[in-house]
Amino acid sequence: GAVVSQHPSRVICKSGTSVKIECRSLDFQATTMFWYRQFPKQSLMLMATSNEGSKATYEQGVEKDKFLINHASLTLSTLTVTSAHPEDSSFYICSARVAGSQETQYFGPGTRLLVL
Amino acid sequence: EDQVTQSPEALRLQEGESSSLNCSYTVSGLRGLFWYRQDPGKGPEFLFTLYSAGEEKEKERLKATLTKKESFLHITAPKPEDSATYLCAVQRGGYQKVTFGTGTKLQVIP
Repeated sequence: GAVVSQHPSRVICKSGTSVKIECRSLDFQATTMFWYRQFPKQSLMLMATSNEGSKATYEQGVEKDKFLINHASLTLSTLTVTSAHPEDSSFYICSARVAGSQETQYFGPGTRLLVL
Repeated sequence: EDQVTQSPEALRLQEGESSSLNCSYTVSGLRGLFWYRQDPGKGPEFLFTLYSAGEEKEKERLKATLTKKESFLHITAPKPEDSATYLCAVQRGGYQKVTFGTGTKLQVIP
């Protein structure tokens, strides 16, 4: 149980284009999902917390107009990187927390984004 | 601000050589401490949640323990397939955010 999927697993795009990443909880409902970014050999940096049916809460320094988050259902959250630039190239990972639980997060497999 | 420090940064063990990974933390009102395993190019895989000092949890060759200031992940008779980066994270009571350490990269040599 507690399986989280992400799509796509990797994407290559041209500078200036937008990229959408999907995060789905497959066998549970998730009222809260999280989006992280991870640079090589570094730990996970929380970008935003996404609550179903409400606006995401962004961490300090994360541009909400550049990283659009939508959590439209209890099993799906999306992250859109708008007007992507090479510096946005990174490993993006989502996680989900089981509805009614306040603790353990289950992570997706990650999405590798490369902006040329 | 919550802080998590993991040591060592990297650890190389012979197969069967038991050892421990350390996670020191500072948090006001711990709600939970988490251990994850992360393989290269993949998302973290959940291992354990610990809630209070004195608590211990085991899974196969792994055992996690918790005190008021640190947590240990003990690896008994490791195998090459245990090679991965092990992440520790803490959550403060009343908050949704989890703070991660930078991890310990474990390599187990046959």
